[in-house]
Amino acid sequence: GESVGLHLPTLSVQEGDNSIINCAYSNSASDYFIWYKQESGKGPQFIIDIRSNMDKRQGQRVTVLLNKTVKHLSLQIAATQPGDSAVYFCAEITGTASKLTFGTGTRLQVTL
Amino acid sequence: ETGVTQSPTHLIKTRGQQVTLRCSSQSGHNTVSWYQQALGQGPQFIFQYYREEENGRGNFPPRFSGLQFPNYSSELNVNALELDDSALYLCASSPGGVETQYFGPGTRLLVL
Repeated sequence: GESVGLHLPTLSVQEGDNSIINCAYSNSASDYFIWYKQESGKGPQFIIDIRSNMDKRQGQRVTVLLNKTVKHLSLQIAATQPGDSAVYFCAEITGTASKLTFGTGTRLQVTL
Repeated sequence: ETGVTQSPTHLIKTRGQQVTLRCSSQSGHNTVSWYQQALGQGPQFIFQYYREEENGRGNFPPRFSGLQFPNYSSELNVNALELDDSALYLCASSPGGVETQYFGPGTRLLVL
């Protein structure tokens, strides 16, 4: 079936560096994407979203890029901090579907 | 703080038993979704309830059932538990579409 997946299961970055987390999606009909952050023992927390009619969206220290040609999504975190250590998921919504389809996640480890 | 609460936080059951998990939605939210998250995986959509009616279902067998109450709180019931049902069960509420979901901390179920 259609699915959302991630290229790297674990990403290790030094504090202060920029992080880039990637996601490939397979459903070309998906029109809305969300990045979530999940810390240990907690539920996923919304970070940033983007609609398929956009290529880029910026938030506070985070930027999401969408490349519909190659069905690729990325999350950029500027000046990564220890508090950014978590598992990051991309998720997609297709049409009027009532569900989010999540990928398997990338663990971000921030080293001092 | 999202306002979505779940109980219990942890639960141990044996194969063949039945379990009921509970979710209290954030105030004003009339939509609740349930997800199963196996260890190291992304959340998988189980079903969604909107104003006490099921409004979408994922690829889960009928032994997974749910209820939503007039105060928009919700229950997830699983009958005839199997070892593979061991997972974190997440509840998410929203005032409308899934784009604005807020997740609870989850209930970790272990089936022995």
